[in-house]
Amino acid sequence: GAVVSQHPSWVICKSGTSVKIECRSLDFQATTMFWYRQFPKQSLMLMATSNEGSKATYEQGVEKDKFLINHASLTLSTLTVTSAHPEDSSFYICSAVEGTQSLHFGNGTRLTVT
Amino acid sequence: DAKTTQPPSMDCAEGRAANLPCNHSTISGNEYVYWYRQIHSQGPQYIIHGLKNNETNEMASLIITEDRKSSTLILPHATLRDTAVYYCIVRVVPGGAQKLVFGQGTRLTINP
Repeated sequence: GAVVSQHPSWVICKSGTSVKIECRSLDFQATTMFWYRQFPKQSLMLMATSNEGSKATYEQGVEKDKFLINHASLTLSTLTVTSAHPEDSSFYICSAVEGTQSLHFGNGTRLTVT
Repeated sequence: DAKTTQPPSMDCAEGRAANLPCNHSTISGNEYVYWYRQIHSQGPQYIIHGLKNNETNEMASLIITEDRKSSTLILPHATLRDTAVYYCIVRVVPGGAQKLVFGQGTRLTINP
């Protein structure tokens, strides 16, 4: 079946540094990918919609300059957390749309900012 | 976006059927009901989806009421590995995007 690969699966970084998370669709092309954030014991919160070749659409309250999204190809979207702070520590999950209905999720990236 | 409501938690004995309810009373005619589950520290896993008719696959069955205002996910023979948070989601399609908005889900615990 369709697979979405997310890398890295976990990362620890120091406060003030930037972290890039990759989301790849391995056997299908994804015009649209989504980025979610999940805090402990909470549900997934949609951060932004990433469209290949165009600017991402951010949900209300999500800072576009802090969470940079690039969707340069049909199989790769990246999320860069810039100037990370401890409150950015979270579980980040991407998903990719296959065709018109199927949505596949990556296995998430656990970010810890010290 | 149509909203869904689910019980926050449920317990089920191993080997029994687990029936997870979901209310989506404001669903529109062209919106599908999707079910995903999330095992701890993993990405959500697709289970099943439907529009009007009941659906069944190797994982589960989905029963949608005739008025489509509610549905039930059935895991026919629950195992310990089915312990997870189950999300009932109504698929929205604004401007071609297919984003899924997650509610709080139901934390299902399968007991030995």
